[in-house]
Amino acid sequence: GAVVSQHPSWVICKSGTSVKIECRSLDFQATTMFWYRQFPKQSLMLMATSNEGSKATYEQGVEKDKFLINHASLTLSTLTVTSAHPEDSSFYICSASAAGVLWQYFGPGTRLTVT
Amino acid sequence: DAKTTQPNSMESNEEEPVHLPCNHSTISGTDYIHWYRQLPSQGPEYVIHGLTSNVNNRMASLAIAEDRKSSTLILHRATLRDAAVYYCILNPSNYQLIWGAGTKLIIKP
Repeated sequence: GAVVSQHPSWVICKSGTSVKIECRSLDFQATTMFWYRQFPKQSLMLMATSNEGSKATYEQGVEKDKFLINHASLTLSTLTVTSAHPEDSSFYICSASAAGVLWQYFGPGTRLTVT
Repeated sequence: DAKTTQPNSMESNEEEPVHLPCNHSTISGTDYIHWYRQLPSQGPEYVIHGLTSNVNNRMASLAIAEDRKSSTLILHRATLRDAAVYYCILNPSNYQLIWGAGTKLIIKP
């Protein structure tokens, strides 16, 4: 089956620094990639949707200048959390969809802790 | 977006079938019914999807009511590895999945 990887799997950073999370589709071309955030004991919340070569579409309430998304190729999307603060600590998950496939493939998630 | 209603949690014994219900009374004609599951500290995993007819795959079966206002995910023989949160999601296409609270499935050995 199709595989989506994320790197790193966990990261600890200091408040005020930036963190980049990579999401890769390993064996298929992802026409669309999605970024989610999940707080403990809560469901997934969609942050943004990105198509290769286009600007990401952010959900209401998500700061586009704080959560920078780049989808430079059909196999790679990155999420950069800029000037991270402790309230940004969360589980970040990406997913990818392939052309003609009606479901999404999810990455394993990245645990971000901001101290 | 059409919403779904699922029980907060369910328990089942290992090696027995599990029926996970989902109500979606406001489903539209173009909404697919998707099921995903999420194991602890992992990303979600696609389980199955359907539109009108019942569906089977290697992981589970999906039974869809004739009026499409409800559906049931069936795990034929639950194992401890099936313990997860199961999400029932409606989607007119593969875009912007809206996640509810899901059903936490507890498997008792």
